[in-house]
Amino acid sequence: GEEVAQTPKHLVRGEGQKAKLYCAPIKGHSYVFWYQQVLKNEFKFLISFQNENVFDETGMPKERFSAKCLPNSPCSLEIQATKLEDSAVYFCASSQTGTSGRLWRRNEQFFGPGTRLTVL
Amino acid sequence: DQQVKQNSPSLSVQEGRISILNCDYTNSMFDYFLWYKKYPAEGPTFLISISSIKDKNEDGRFTVFLNKSAKHLSLHIVPSQPGDSAVYFCAASRGSGGYQKVTFGIGTKLQVIP
Repeated sequence: GEEVAQTPKHLVRGEGQKAKLYCAPIKGHSYVFWYQQVLKNEFKFLISFQNENVFDETGMPKERFSAKCLPNSPCSLEIQATKLEDSAVYFCASSQTGTSGRLWRRNEQFFGPGTRLTVL
Repeated sequence: DQQVKQNSPSLSVQEGRISILNCDYTNSMFDYFLWYKKYPAEGPTFLISISSIKDKNEDGRFTVFLNKSAKHLSLHIVPSQPGDSAVYFCAASRGSGGYQKVTFGIGTKLQVIP
């Protein structure tokens, strides 16, 4: 599609429950990113993929968080055993890299509308 | 430790006047800078960017200025319009290839008063 799609829009989980978020990147985009936005507006980078391969996972919490981007499926971010501090808006973004003719594409990540996770 | 800092949480400007949003960064490895605009309940939308080899980039009413020695950039919006009211995020990355993670500031909420 022409936009990054994220589902669900809202997700409520009890502490300790599992949460799974989905992202469909823009068709043709090779890179997918996950960011977490907590209350003070600060965006935290979690993980990025180049197609189905993990590209950069330096922001990913070692425990409880996992992510996948499988061929012909939406990308997913899963949180096992959610905690109160996981409450945030999770944004997915996608980008396309490489050249178009002799022109470099600009570094632009297109963001989805986000999934608001509330852990009670 | 915040690597991209937006020290003004909010800004109010009269319609038609200039809006100036400021941003500072601490990481010398950043060489590509972006501004994103965000409305409530939506994802950030790319606005304008600048490479570290430039000191100015202009796109319509939006101009971004970069002062590398001061590690400072600013976004100028002239003339400001009510539709510009949103949260503006300054962001930075190492490289402009589109595959690098982006480090965001905490945003400045701009209100343009009709």
